[in-house]
Amino acid sequence: SQKIEQNSEALNIQEGKTATLTCNYTNYSPAYLQWYRQDPGRGPVFLLLIRENEKEKRKERLKVTFDTTLKQSLFHITASQPADSATYLCALTSPSTSGTYKYIFGTGTRLKVLA
Amino acid sequence: KAGVTQTPRYLIKTRGQQVTLSCSPISGHRSVSWYQQTPGQGLQFLFEYFSETQRNKGNFPGRFSGRQFSNSRSEMNVSTLELGDSALYLCASSLVLTGARSYEQYFGPGTRLTVT
Repeated sequence: SQKIEQNSEALNIQEGKTATLTCNYTNYSPAYLQWYRQDPGRGPVFLLLIRENEKEKRKERLKVTFDTTLKQSLFHITASQPADSATYLCALTSPSTSGTYKYIFGTGTRLKVLA
Repeated sequence: KAGVTQTPRYLIKTRGQQVTLSCSPISGHRSVSWYQQTPGQGLQFLFEYFSETQRNKGNFPGRFSGRQFSNSRSEMNVSTLELGDSALYLCASSLVLTGARSYEQYFGPGTRLTVT
């Protein structure tokens, strides 16, 4: 069955360091991979999308890589701040020839940036 | 532009009852997807609606149903509620243009459903 794993349930890092979160998947060939941020009691917020033919995407302090050979995406937050503390979700999607698709979400990594 | 809105925000129901949740997408977004989020299972896809038609469905029993109106607003219904249906129900909208779609999803704040 299709499965997504995010490297750890929780990750603590020191302010100013780079946080690296991992998303691994099996039995799936996604065309798109996305990262979302979710704060407690709120809906996820879209951060970045990367296509299967793209190796890397950046947005301000965020960087995403996508390796379809390793079936892995890495999500980096550079110069991390306490305000970056949240749960980060990766999501895969792949449209079928019939035009339908599904989103499959990982269970998330809870990041805590320590001041 | 206003974000995705969901009503109600909180709901308490008794086992066996039914419930209807509402979602208004971002203006111009024609696709609405519904998700169930629980601590144990994470975010699970329920279904997606576009142009008033269900386009895709996750692995949930038939007690979970939905619909979409001509203004793209969507409702989700759960009949014969079970204790395990207690969860945060999220809807997300995305932009679909003729010949192209965006895979970015914009989520609402969710409806917290508690079944007792």
